[in-house]
Amino acid sequence: KNEVEQSPQNLTAQEGEFITINCSYSVGISALHWLQQHPGGGIVSLFMLSSGKKKHGRLIATINIQEKHSSLHITASHPRDSAVYICAVGTGNQFYFGTGTSLTVIP
Amino acid sequence: EAGVTQFPSHSVIEKGQTVTLRCDPISGHDNLYWYRRVMGKEIKFLLHFVKESKQDESGMPNNRFLAERTGGTYSTLKVQPAELEDSGVYFCASSQELGLMVGTGELFFGEGSRLTVL
Repeated sequence: KNEVEQSPQNLTAQEGEFITINCSYSVGISALHWLQQHPGGGIVSLFMLSSGKKKHGRLIATINIQEKHSSLHITASHPRDSAVYICAVGTGNQFYFGTGTSLTVIP
Repeated sequence: EAGVTQFPSHSVIEKGQTVTLRCDPISGHDNLYWYRRVMGKEIKFLLHFVKESKQDESGMPNNRFLAERTGGTYSTLKVQPAELEDSGVYFCASSQELGLMVGTGELFFGEGSRLTVL
């Protein structure tokens, strides 16, 4: 079992839909990171959070430390949001990564 | 400001050969990480430098892998001799953490170096 589990693994949505990607972890964390990787591209950091909620444009990330769970929400999804979204947990010693959620938004 | 840069972007070598990957972190970032993703698997931590010192190399798969960061600037990851299972994408990331607490600084990733071992 991985230290970081993401769901779903694959997600297809219609443009405009509200999207939620989930991340559960089993290790103690210093911070949780949401990352985005476009096809053939590098990885970009979207959020780093250790409590509560953060919002950037149409993206919202939440974390519940007690439940060891985080969610990434995308409102009014757009085809350009199509990418792999990766949850990564920093433990203070190293990082653990989820396998990623591949999102496809159809026009 | 330049981001994290990695070279080469793609390397194709034969089993038994040697490959050296290079990572230039963001200037001023003390923390440098190497990760890799093999086909269909999650990204795995390889090792972590703080300046020129190896802070944690518990993720290095075996002694065919050697990472260095002389002078605390760029880093190299050498695979010698390469095996088929070494194929994958090798990512480098840098950050400026709060002290030595891994994960407390925003991560900046390079584009990755794709290694194909035939």
